[in-house]
Amino acid sequence: GQQLNQSPQSMFIQEGEDVSMNCTSSSIFNTWLWYKQDPGEGPVLLIALYKAGELTSNGRLTAQFGITRKDSFLNISASIPSDVGIYFCAGHQSGTYKYIFGTGTRLKVLA
Amino acid sequence: NAGVTQTPKFQVLKTGQSMTLQCAQDMNHNSMYWYRQDPGMGLRLIYYSASEGTTDKGEVPNGYNVSRLNKREFSLRLESAAPSQTSVYFCASSEPGQGISPLHFGNGTRLTVT
Repeated sequence: GQQLNQSPQSMFIQEGEDVSMNCTSSSIFNTWLWYKQDPGEGPVLLIALYKAGELTSNGRLTAQFGITRKDSFLNISASIPSDVGIYFCAGHQSGTYKYIFGTGTRLKVLA
Repeated sequence: NAGVTQTPKFQVLKTGQSMTLQCAQDMNHNSMYWYRQDPGMGLRLIYYSASEGTTDKGEVPNGYNVSRLNKREFSLRLESAAPSQTSVYFCASSEPGQGISPLHFGNGTRLTVT
């Protein structure tokens, strides 16, 4: 099945560092979503992007919808221990009910 | 404010046994989904229901059936469980009529088939 290419697969960073992860696809999407999953829980929405070129922030998180509509990135500034988790991107194509997910980026923050 | 509620949270089955995973949402969403999550595979769509009374196959429907019981509830049934169905199952809902509504997830059912 179709999946998004998400990188990196995992990251180990020091507390206070900035983090960057991205998703790419061979298909065009009309919406990009970024989710975070804590252990034992379901994914929780962080940021939703609806327009090509859109740059949206949510606290220390910033995400952008690529101009080509085939990619998106998520930045986390000044990481803290509670940022630990798995981050997923998801793309949605208009006219469908399906969301395609990336394989996730596992983030670990060292205090 | 429950959102999406899944039961049970954990389940162990023997090969060949059957079970039904339950999901209910209280957000009045029209669309509901079942995903499975496996290590390194992300989330893969099993079945979805665009609205009450309709269901459609996703990427990995083999071995599963679903029922959209009413607008609130969407169940997933394994008729004859296999070890390959060991996974974490997530139910989600969305409201596509209001622009593009993001998916809202439950906390998952962790299923082990021995």
